[in-house]
Amino acid sequence: EVQLVESGGGLVQPGRSLRLSCAASGFTFDDYAMHWVRQAPGKGLEWVSGISWNSGSIGYADSVKGRFTISRDNAKNSLYLQMNSLRAEDTALYYCAKDNSGTTRGYFDYWGQGTLVTVSS
Amino acid sequence: EIVLTQSPGTLSLSPGERATLSCRASQSVSSSYLAWYQQKPGQAPRLLIYGASSRATGIPDRFSGSGSGTDFTLTISRLEPEDFAVYYCQQYGSSPRGTFGQGTKVEIK
Repeated sequence: EVQLVESGGGLVQPGRSLRLSCAASGFTFDDYAMHWVRQAPGKGLEWVSGISWNSGSIGYADSVKGRFTISRDNAKNSLYLQMNSLRAEDTALYYCAKDNSGTTRGYFDYWGQGTLVTVSS
Repeated sequence: EIVLTQSPGTLSLSPGERATLSCRASQSVSSSYLAWYQQKPGQAPRLLIYGASSRATGIPDRFSGSGSGTDFTLTISRLEPEDFAVYYCQQYGSSPRGTFGQGTKVEIK
């Protein structure tokens, strides 16, 4: 059974940093690309960042480019999102999602339950 | 960047009725790389349809997807109580981002 478990969310002040993690199990992690998708309270889904199976292809939404860094550790079956210079508008539930391919060009066939990030003073 | 526009914003229907949801792209979606997701309150999104018309594993056959180019449709043939939710379309295939539509809420009339 595929499982994606996010952690690392919490309350953080504007301008500070936070690192999210996603622990994956139930599939061969290093065969697939992975993504972060966020959902602000009461709003729709927003793709944040994606990383290919070997970290060779990485992309970011314009809203987070230069502030967020995605990475993965295939030996630990883990995905990360380093979030710097956080803003109030980054407040959201952050989902980890598995790509159906290794290239970040696929659809998202499994999702975690999300970790909540609240940016407020 | 491809922009997806979903309509209507809200669909009010009764159990047993047919639901037709639309997703229009600002430019042609290559190879019908269009997916649909269902999200219930307090839950993560769930993949329903990929490749515009292929049902994901375990998805009942009352859900069907169609369309190509810039116009896509998700149809729920007969609404069950558990189908009342928000539905999102997504285009993929254009590396490395996957754009979502703004969602259609299917609510009980």
